[in-house]
Amino acid sequence: NAGVTQTPKFQVLKTGQSMTLQCAQDMNHEYMSWYRQDPGMGLRLIHYSVGAGITDQGEVPNGYNVSRSTTEDFPLRLLSAAPSQTSVYFCASSPPIAGGLNEQFFGPGTRLTVL
Amino acid sequence: AQSVTQPDIHITVSEGASLELRCNYSYGATPYLFWYVQSPGQGLQLLLKYFSGDTLVQGIKGFEAEFKRSQSSFNLRKPSVHWSDAAEYFCAVGARGSTLGRLYFGRGTQLTVWP
Repeated sequence: NAGVTQTPKFQVLKTGQSMTLQCAQDMNHEYMSWYRQDPGMGLRLIHYSVGAGITDQGEVPNGYNVSRSTTEDFPLRLLSAAPSQTSVYFCASSPPIAGGLNEQFFGPGTRLTVL
Repeated sequence: AQSVTQPDIHITVSEGASLELRCNYSYGATPYLFWYVQSPGQGLQLLLKYFSGDTLVQGIKGFEAEFKRSQSSFNLRKPSVHWSDAAEYFCAVGARGSTLGRLYFGRGTQLTVWP
């Protein structure tokens, strides 16, 4: 298993550009999430999904869109990049557990800079 | 709403010394609790987790944590630190029920190990 993969590893955008951060997992996990990590802020949840076709907002969803058409993929779209979106982005997935929450497996991250 | 506090932003210990990283959470019921470690430029790796049962949980790399309901704490400990333990450590809480799949992270504690 490759686990959770993210592409690209690094990206530089200009203000106003759009792009999609890719996330894929090959573990057949139902739950997938996107976090951003900023210095001194820990990880903050952007969007998450509990299964194909189902997504919901996290703590900091503004400026980001997601969709979940398959179990494996959970792309994150930046609609119009802003310097405030400069961050490291992590995708995570988690297997289901009846009535509970399981550990999340993290990808290696995408470091995004918006100029 | 759930929240996690890691009171120590940065801790320095000597190699071979004992370690305790503090974590306090806010949640109305028994939460799911996790400790993750992040090495520079890497994703997050799970150290240990608490779901229920024995309040002292053992993890990888010789770490353990104790859930204390009365103090709303889940402190991470290691009896003898190794230089390779230098990293950033994150405590996280997950909720039961309707918000399955969501994790709330503390802001992290950076550990420096002196030789």
